[in-house]
Amino acid sequence: DVVMTQSPLSLPVTLGQPASISCRSSQSLVYSDGHTYLSWFQQRPGQSPRRLIYKVSNRDSGVPDRFSGSGSGTDFTLKISRVEAEDVGIYYCMQGTHWPLTFGGGTKVEIK
Amino acid sequence: EVQLVESGGDLVQPGGSLRLACAASGFTFKHYGMHWVRQAPGKGLEWVSYITSDSGTIYDADSVRGRFTIFRDNARNTLYLQMNSLRDEDTAVYYCARDEGGRSSEGTFDHWGQGTPVTVSS
Repeated sequence: DVVMTQSPLSLPVTLGQPASISCRSSQSLVYSDGHTYLSWFQQRPGQSPRRLIYKVSNRDSGVPDRFSGSGSGTDFTLKISRVEAEDVGIYYCMQGTHWPLTFGGGTKVEIK
Repeated sequence: EVQLVESGGDLVQPGGSLRLACAASGFTFKHYGMHWVRQAPGKGLEWVSYITSDSGTIYDADSVRGRFTIFRDNARNTLYLQMNSLRDEDTAVYYCARDEGGRSSEGTFDHWGQGTPVTVSS
């Protein structure tokens, strides 16, 4: 199985400051069709997960443009340009290139 | 508006069975693959099972293979998860989630339900 490793586990951030979450996979996530199936999900306290980013860098409809995804191969990053109070929650990366689909362990974003 | 509403979660004894359902609305259900994903209390997300739009292909996680069966009724716009031989470690909130693909997976979930809790305990 592809192991997804996220860091840090916990990320205290000052409001208005940037935040960055790393996600590394144990093998390349480039599929035979040339696409890289790496998604990012946000789970606010008490809520279901919500997708933010798909195929590394494509932002979902309604997702603020302060969220951005980047990376390639085995190294990926989710960035929040200026953290707002509503961004508190746990963020998960997930690979959809190889079966079984696997998630990172999550990064908890909190306000300092 | 896409809506996925899970039901069927309950308290069940180890070794017991349960059937979860996920009622879909707001989109053409028969055109999309579907997944079950679970989250144990205080833990992260774990993918459980996937079925294509036409039920032609199914994938299961090793942890549930042979015990859980995913299936769907496109006429009723409903996804199911039949859970047998339940274990303590199956305790979790179970979410259904829509795949962007139909007869092949797009490797991501664009919509999630609110989840239904399953507790396996004696």
